[in-house]
Amino acid sequence: EAAVTQSPRNKVTVTGGNVTLSCRQTNSHNYMYWYRQDTGHGLRLIHYSYGAGNLQIGDVPDGYKATRTTQEDFFLLLELASPSQTSLYFCASSLRDRYEQYFGPGTRLTVL
Amino acid sequence: GDSVTQTEGPVTLSEGTSLTVNCSYETKQYPTLFWYVQYPGEGPQLLFKVPKANEKGSSRGFEATYNKEATSFHLQKASVQESDSAVYYCALSDLSSGSWQLIFGSGTQLTVMP
Repeated sequence: EAAVTQSPRNKVTVTGGNVTLSCRQTNSHNYMYWYRQDTGHGLRLIHYSYGAGNLQIGDVPDGYKATRTTQEDFFLLLELASPSQTSLYFCASSLRDRYEQYFGPGTRLTVL
Repeated sequence: GDSVTQTEGPVTLSEGTSLTVNCSYETKQYPTLFWYVQYPGEGPQLLFKVPKANEKGSSRGFEATYNKEATSFHLQKASVQESDSAVYYCALSDLSSGSWQLIFGSGTQLTVMP
């Protein structure tokens, strides 16, 4: 069974704060993704990666950085968090880019 | 760019009734189409996918046919159960953005009453 884990599951920070969201997959997948989920918008792609050290820009990258340190680990960084970044964040992985994606349980981030 | 439009929610049905969630898409390419389901407190999970036009996908009693001419991929189930209560996402993947990104619809919240 494919496995994607995320930490923390919940995070509260203040405007201007520094936040790192972590994702680990044990599927031996090449691709990893970060999405945000907001009511009325569905899931929107922030960044993705096809291997350690690689980073690709998604559809809503402004205000976010990401880093893929190993095949298993993908991090999303918010260096100056803003209230507009309050959202539910999902990490996902896939073997190849056109294959189905497996999602983690999500991290709920609140920026006050 | 590509887009996916699906039935606005929320949708509330009684157990045993039929479900249709409409999904239409716009793309200049030849996409693979997906339906994902998201249960409360979980991430989305694949319900099924259909890579080829005019083929049908199905899983757990749900089905959808990839209609290339109508650019539609409506989700149907003949008899819903309370356990089907979830958010359903239509999605497509193609190369129009230069990579095989998944483009999701806005989701349809389904509640099934016992």
